[in-house]
Amino acid sequence: EADIYQTPRYLVIGTGKKITLECSQTMGHDKMYWYQQDPGMELHLIHYSYGVNSTEKGDLSSESTVSRIRTEHFPLTLESARPSHTSQYLCASRPGGVPYTDTQYFGPGTRLTVL
Amino acid sequence: AQTVTQSQPEMSVQEAETVTLSCTYDTSESNYYLFWYKQPPSRQMILVIRQEAYKQQNATENRFSVNFQKAAKSFSLKISDSQLGDTAMYFCALIQGAQKLVFGQGTRLTINP
Repeated sequence: EADIYQTPRYLVIGTGKKITLECSQTMGHDKMYWYQQDPGMELHLIHYSYGVNSTEKGDLSSESTVSRIRTEHFPLTLESARPSHTSQYLCASRPGGVPYTDTQYFGPGTRLTVL
Repeated sequence: AQTVTQSQPEMSVQEAETVTLSCTYDTSESNYYLFWYKQPPSRQMILVIRQEAYKQQNATENRFSVNFQKAAKSFSLKISDSQLGDTAMYFCALIQGAQKLVFGQGTRLTINP
């Protein structure tokens, strides 16, 4: 399996709390991504980064924010969690350089429940 | 815009049977890559197989093979001698110059004993 990690794996939290989902990879990949996925459903890209200090919003509007201060680290933050944020969040990474050929690796996901 | 469509939300076969998952896509580019990813229940998503658009030969990885029809923009996945461990969500995906994978809706495959 790929060296990409997400913590926590499961989180149950009350409405209004601030949360940060951690994602880190040890492969030196430039490109990192956050997806939101309801169980058994399709993936929606919510944020991506092509390198340090580079972040972009994805195809699905999200109230979350991200930062990329270090290559290996790409945390996602929700300032005020709501029940509508309940979902699974998947982090992924891919090498830089050649855009087409490199495999994208996924983390194990964080399953978030907001009460 | 790129789109990827998986028209089979769910499929179910008996162990040892062969199953084919369908995927169609749309892109204006001539050079792109196609992927099949597997997401087992409560486990990490992993790459199953990938195909380079400029290669005519269909990719094969052990029991997994693809039928790539470029003119028809079709990219189906065939699983031979299916095993219980093949039970998973399968996602078809496309990447071209935008450097972002575009995923299909997924197909839930169940292998029955």
